Amino acid sequence: AQSVTQPDIHITVSEGASLELRCNYSYGATPYLFWYVQSPGQGLQLLLKYFSGDTLVQGIKGFEAEFKRSQSSFNLRKPSVHWSDAAEYFCAVVRGTTDSWGKFQFGAGTQVVVTP
Amino acid sequence: NAGVTQTPKFQVLKTGQSMTLQCAQDMNHEYMSWYRQDPGMGLRLIHYSVGAGITDQGEVPNGYNVSRSTTEDFPLRLLSAAPSQTSVYFCASSYSDTVNEQFFGPGTRLTVL
Repeated sequence: AQSVTQPDIHITVSEGASLELRCNYSYGATPYLFWYVQSPGQGLQLLLKYFSGDTLVQGIKGFEAEFKRSQSSFNLRKPSVHWSDAAEYFCAVVRGTTDSWGKFQFGAGTQVVVTP
Repeated sequence: NAGVTQTPKFQVLKTGQSMTLQCAQDMNHEYMSWYRQDPGMGLRLIHYSVGAGITDQGEVPNGYNVSRSTTEDFPLRLLSAAPSQTSVYFCASSYSDTVNEQFFGPGTRLTVL
């Protein structure tokens, strides 16, 4: 069975510092990979996605993520964090089989706190 | 477009009561899903649908019922509410031609006493 692991439950980062959020997946083939962000009291918003091709993908709000097949990882990064980036971040995977296209599996999430 | 809408935003139930959480989308998406979000557990799939008349169970379906009579609507029914169903519920939708971004509603916060 596939699984998604976000090892860091909580990260505190200073405004202006860099941020990296980890995501590891367990699946026999390369899945479709997503990062979503959830601001307090809000629904989820897509940051970026990886389906195939270039392993470094750019998203909204200055975020990027790198897919590493050898490490089964899809880590999210931002070079310089803004106070508005304080939120919860979720990694999600979808299997590539036709009957699974709508079944997203989410990690437990990483809460990001930004300090002045 | 309103996107994905959910009602109500908040609800308090007593154990044993039943209720329906409403979800609607105006993007003509075939896939619709219900998730519950609990602290430290991320979002877990309850039920999903690939189109009108077709539904399937997700990871945590027990105690919930769904049906999909139209493309736009995908209500979630709690048959006999239990305190373990206290959670935040999200509805999401996407196109079905391949794996696509899911669009999420604002959520319903449910408390079962």
